[in-house]
Amino acid sequence: DAGITQSPRHKVTETGTPVTLRCHQTENHRYMYWYRQDPGHGLRLIHYSYGVKDTDKGEVSDGYSVSRSKTEDFLLTLESATSSQTSVYFCAISESGGTGKETQYFGPGTRLLVL
Amino acid sequence: DQQVKQNSPSLSVQEGRISILNCDYTNSMFDYFLWYKKYPAEGPTFLISISSIKDKNEDGRFTVFLNKSAKHLSLHIVPSQPGDSAVYFCAASARGGADGLTFGKGTHLIIQP
Repeated sequence: DAGITQSPRHKVTETGTPVTLRCHQTENHRYMYWYRQDPGHGLRLIHYSYGVKDTDKGEVSDGYSVSRSKTEDFLLTLESATSSQTSVYFCAISESGGTGKETQYFGPGTRLLVL
Repeated sequence: DQQVKQNSPSLSVQEGRISILNCDYTNSMFDYFLWYKKYPAEGPTFLISISSIKDKNEDGRFTVFLNKSAKHLSLHIVPSQPGDSAVYFCAASARGGADGLTFGKGTHLIIQP
């Protein structure tokens, strides 16, 4: 199994509060991703990173920001949590964006409830 | 606009028989396709993948077939085992996956004893 951990694994918060989720990898992979999974939607890309300090938006980036100051850590911040951000959040990593190395490996997920 | 479609939300198969999960895509820029398996309260686990330059890839009990002209891929599991009961996601990428994966909504496979 790829060395990916996510913290916290479960969190309950209130509307309007900031929340930060952490993804940590021990594989030294260049690419890191944040997805959310909601019933009826599969997994949807929020943000991704292709290197330290290099990030870009995904399909559902509104209300989220990310930071990557070290290769091993990718942080997802909900600037002001809303009930629509109640979801399960998955981090993923891949070795590179090159052909044959696109396979992404996922962390265990963080279940977030916004009240 | 859903670019990756899994039209069967659930599929029930008898143990020992073949399970066939289907996936359709609309974006002709997709060049790499993956299947993931997911158990409740766990992250998706990579199962098998196929590049657009191939039409078949096999790994043990799992085979993925790609029909580019029909923009269709399928995952065959033979023989099906109880531990195969899970949600299966089809995913696709373009540009070497640099922009992330696009997922289908998943198919819940149930293996009946």
